[in-house]
Amino acid sequence: AQTVTQSQPEMSVQEAETVTLSCTYDTSESDYYLFWYKQPPSRQMILVIRQEAYKQQNATENRFSVNFQKAAKSFSLKISDSQLGDAAMYFCAWSGGSNYKLTFGKGTLLTVNP
Amino acid sequence: DTGVSQNPRHKITKRGQNVTFRCDPISEHNRLYWYRQTLGQGPEFLTYFQNEAQLEKSRLLSDRFSAERPKGSFSTLEIQRTEQGDSAMYLCASSLPDNEQYFGPGTRLTVT
Repeated sequence: AQTVTQSQPEMSVQEAETVTLSCTYDTSESDYYLFWYKQPPSRQMILVIRQEAYKQQNATENRFSVNFQKAAKSFSLKISDSQLGDAAMYFCAWSGGSNYKLTFGKGTLLTVNP
Repeated sequence: DTGVSQNPRHKITKRGQNVTFRCDPISEHNRLYWYRQTLGQGPEFLTYFQNEAQLEKSRLLSDRFSAERPKGSFSTLEIQRTEQGDSAMYLCASSLPDNEQYFGPGTRLTVT
């Protein structure tokens, strides 16, 4: 079975600064996807960024980028120029196998200080 | 594209009652997933449909839970004889094959 571990229950960052959220996973699959989802308080889950395991190049979406280390099974999220609207719970998730169901970590609560 | 919708958004019920939730996926998405999220935790997979076929059920889905997706469109999740441990947020997501899942706003169930 796949597992996803987020070792930082909470993180904080100053507005305009950079923060990195950590995620490690365990899987025996060779073909899979990794995701970071954002869940603002009382609001729905939103996809932040996606990485295909077969791609060596790290995914980037505007201020969000990942550091994907396949051998180490590590998948961290870097948020640059943090904004107040980035404050949310961030979930790392793994997807693969025949049905692509998501396996989530426990989340990291990000606070952005003005 | 109106996104994934779920109804109701909130449901309060007494222990022992039956409840049913509805999920309307994005129209062209043939894959539909149900997850359960308890406070302070990440969502946990419950069940998966490809079109109208229910292809996988988690061990979390006890005999009191049943899900359907008639005609491969909307889906319903029913919980019979609710227990306090069923209190959670129930999330629905849909996707195209081999693509990212889009989540609905969830139904928050409180069992008193």
